[in-house]
Amino acid sequence: GENVEQHPSTLSVQEGDSAVIKCTYSDSASNYFPWYKQELGKRPQLIIDIRSNVGEKKDQRIAVTLNKTAKHFSLHITETQPEDSAVYFCAASGVRGSYIPTFGRGTSLIVHP
Amino acid sequence: DAGVIQSPRHEVTEMGQEVTLRCKPISGHDYLFWYRQTMMRGLELLIYFNNNVPIDDSGMPEDRFSAKMPNASFSTLKIQPSEPRDSAVYFCASSLSGGSSDYGYTFGSGTRLTVV
Repeated sequence: GENVEQHPSTLSVQEGDSAVIKCTYSDSASNYFPWYKQELGKRPQLIIDIRSNVGEKKDQRIAVTLNKTAKHFSLHITETQPEDSAVYFCAASGVRGSYIPTFGRGTSLIVHP
Repeated sequence: DAGVIQSPRHEVTEMGQEVTLRCKPISGHDYLFWYRQTMMRGLELLIYFNNNVPIDDSGMPEDRFSAKMPNASFSTLKIQPSEPRDSAVYFCASSLSGGSSDYGYTFGSGTRLTVV
């Protein structure tokens, strides 16, 4: 089955800096890559996603890039703010027509004011 | 829509007791998922249903765990007997057609289970 590796497990930045979280996947048939944000004590929520026919997608301060050849995708957050502090999960899905995601282990992002 | 509704939010029980977690998916969603989240193992998919039928339960850790979906608006995850290592946050999620962004993949607020 699909295997998703996520790095780093923790990331500490100063407010205003950029943050980058990287994921790799194993199954070349995966074609849908969502990212979830989980604030402390709350549920994971979808923040952005990308499909395999697109190399990059942006939504205000967040962007996701995908390199299908290398089988890795990344989340970029610019001008970080304290409210960006959360655990971020990447996921890969689409194998055999299924959108059931396989999640990475998560990255705990801490933004220091 | 109220979203995916889970109950209880918190459960503390003694080892050996039966625990039942409940989930009400978003109306119209045809997929329902149960996840377990721990620091050690992250988010683990336990089981998922499509149109109330269990499709893949390979993530269920052992026979002490069972899940049912008697109708489109209700599912339960039962642990009997419970053990301290079952302590975790259990999330239910639902989606339409498996969960691409076009169709939504929504988590409930979770049940924090503590087995003492």
